Order: sequence, then C-alpha cells, then structure tokens
Amino acid sequence: ETGVTQSPTHLIKTRGQQVTLRCSSQSGHNTVSWYQQALGQGPQFIFQYYREEKNGRGNFPPRFSGLQFPNYSSELNVNALELDDSALYLCASSLEPSGGREETQYFGPGTRLLVL
Amino acid sequence: AQTVTQSQPEMSVQEAETVTLSCTYDTSESDYYLFWYKQPPSRQMILVIRQEAYKQQNATENRFSVNFQKAAKSFSLKISDSQLGDAAMYFCAYRSYSGGGADGLTFGKGTHLIIQP
Repeated sequence: ETGVTQSPTHLIKTRGQQVTLRCSSQSGHNTVSWYQQALGQGPQFIFQYYREEKNGRGNFPPRFSGLQFPNYSSELNVNALELDDSALYLCASSLEPSGGREETQYFGPGTRLLVL
Repeated sequence: AQTVTQSQPEMSVQEAETVTLSCTYDTSESDYYLFWYKQPPSRQMILVIRQEAYKQQNATENRFSVNFQKAAKSFSLKISDSQLGDAAMYFCAYRSYSGGGADGLTFGKGTHLIIQP
C-alpha cells in the first residue's frame, strides 16, 4: 500500500510569485485535504476535495485554490505569495465522507515553503 | 466554531515512565471525533489514537490511552512506559460528525514531548 506523497519537499519563492504544490493520495482514498502549518502552530484547514469537487473550505483567501484529478491526486495553488504564506503545507487523504462516518486522515510528509 | 486548547507547550518525562498530555475543546455539538496525532522531526503527522464522542469507553492503543471526559470537554493522552521514539510534537484534533468531514480537522497548538534517557 502506497502512502501519501507530496512534492516538492522544499521550495523557495519570492513575494508576489505563484506556487503549485502536489499531493498523491494513499491507494484507495478519494478525498484529499490540505492544511497550512505555520512554525510553532498546529495545522489549519485550507480545503478538502472529494471526487474532483471541493466540498469544504477553511478561512483562507481566494488566493489559495486547488484541484483534484481523476486519479485523486491533488494540487494546491497559491497566487500572489505573501511573506506570511511561509509554512509547512500538509496534504491528507481519506476515504469518501459518508453521513458523518469517521474517515481517518493520513498525512503526507509536507512541503516546506519559504517566501522571501 | 470549534476550538482546541493544549495548555502544555512542553512536557518532559524520564524513559519508561508515564506522562499525560492535556487537551480541552469547545464545541456546541454532541457528536464528533477526537484525535491525537504525533509529529516527529521528520514532519509527517502520524495518527496515535482516536475517540468517537458517542462511545463512553476510552480508546486504547498499546501504550497509548485517552481519558475522555465529555461533560468537561477534556481529552487527555496517557503514554505509558515512555520510549525515546515517543519524542515528538503531539497535536490534539477535533472533527465534527456532521458535514462528512468537509470542515476538516481543528488542531491545537501542540505539546512538545521530550523523553529523558
């Protein structure tokens, strides 16, 4: 069974640039969630994709957007980067949400983004 | 909105001893899930244990157990026979039962656990 993978592992960008982060979900999972973890903080929910549709979003500006592909891999795009976007970006995959039934989220190793 | 509070930024314990990490949360919902995740220096978030709010029995996974007090909105993690490999950041997380998880996990700020050899 293949776990959640993310690429790249590290990335350096300058303010105003755009970035794309990638995530491959665990085998058999069709739901992907993205989180931002600032230094010394717990992760914060950005959004979730289920079968290529966004089905939940946290309190992040529209500069943060995403996609999910037919193979359930996902991208996180951030436009007009700001210094505060520097963080660890975590992707988590799970089985389809269903009537509140708990689906454990399994996390990838993250992408460390530094905005200068 | 739900909030999760971990009041201990750092805890230290001797190897082989027992340590308890605290977590409280605030919610108006009656059905939800609670989790403890471990994040070692490798950064990968690893599920330690989970608890369904409708279950009165406390969850246990080998050396890890929880004390779930629903009325007090408390969810502490007990680690028995601490091992060097337990050293990590520990995060408490909440997930609403309604909405199928579309609102994601709400995390606390974490507790840094140090294991003294």
